[in-house]
Amino acid sequence: QKEVEQDPGPLSVPEGAIVSLNCTYSNSAFQYFMWYRQYSRKGPELLMYTYSSGNKEDGRFTAQVDKSSKYISLFIRDSQPSDSATYLCAMRLYQGAQKLVFGQGTRLTINP
Amino acid sequence: GAVVSQHPSWVICKSGTSVKIECRSLDFQATTMFWYRQFPKQSLMLMATSNEGSKATYEQGVEKDKFLINHASLTLSTLTVTSAHPEDSSFYICSAREGGTGGNQPQHFGDGTRLSIL
Repeated sequence: QKEVEQDPGPLSVPEGAIVSLNCTYSNSAFQYFMWYRQYSRKGPELLMYTYSSGNKEDGRFTAQVDKSSKYISLFIRDSQPSDSATYLCAMRLYQGAQKLVFGQGTRLTINP
Repeated sequence: GAVVSQHPSWVICKSGTSVKIECRSLDFQATTMFWYRQFPKQSLMLMATSNEGSKATYEQGVEKDKFLINHASLTLSTLTVTSAHPEDSSFYICSAREGGTGGNQPQHFGDGTRLSIL
């Protein structure tokens, strides 16, 4: 079993739809959770960074962490064609921990 | 803020050549930098963690004599692929983290280097 599981998709939705991306994990010690967006042939771009359980909102993006269920989500409202990319979840054990553990990435396409 | 620049973005060279890739943090000091490798349609695979002024820590299975890492300053790390062969062709991405090793800042990534060995 992988430490972090993420459905690779591909996921295709119409423009304006609400998108839900999810990751589950097995190690309850993870404390820091991130979502990155990666366009083709580019490096990952940090979208959201959260600590422990709860919600965080930034514009059209909302990140949710449910540590009791070992489940994190990223919601995209009013999706745009420019949101088409691969979305990677990542997590880290504790403050100062060096390594990130990544999900496989979900390929998302927003159709105009 | 938190911009990481990686150079070159694409390199094609002959088998047996050594290739150097640079990673710079432009607007912050990065005590720690990371080097990843990514195959098509796959996630990032951590190759090594580099702390300024000390030797890099390589992940299991990564040849340290093949992939030389230097982190001589707080804003620059380099990865040299020595005597590159076609199987080394890949997308190499660096990342950098603000602050010291005890901090909780996230990693910020460069735009990657596409390496093609003929």
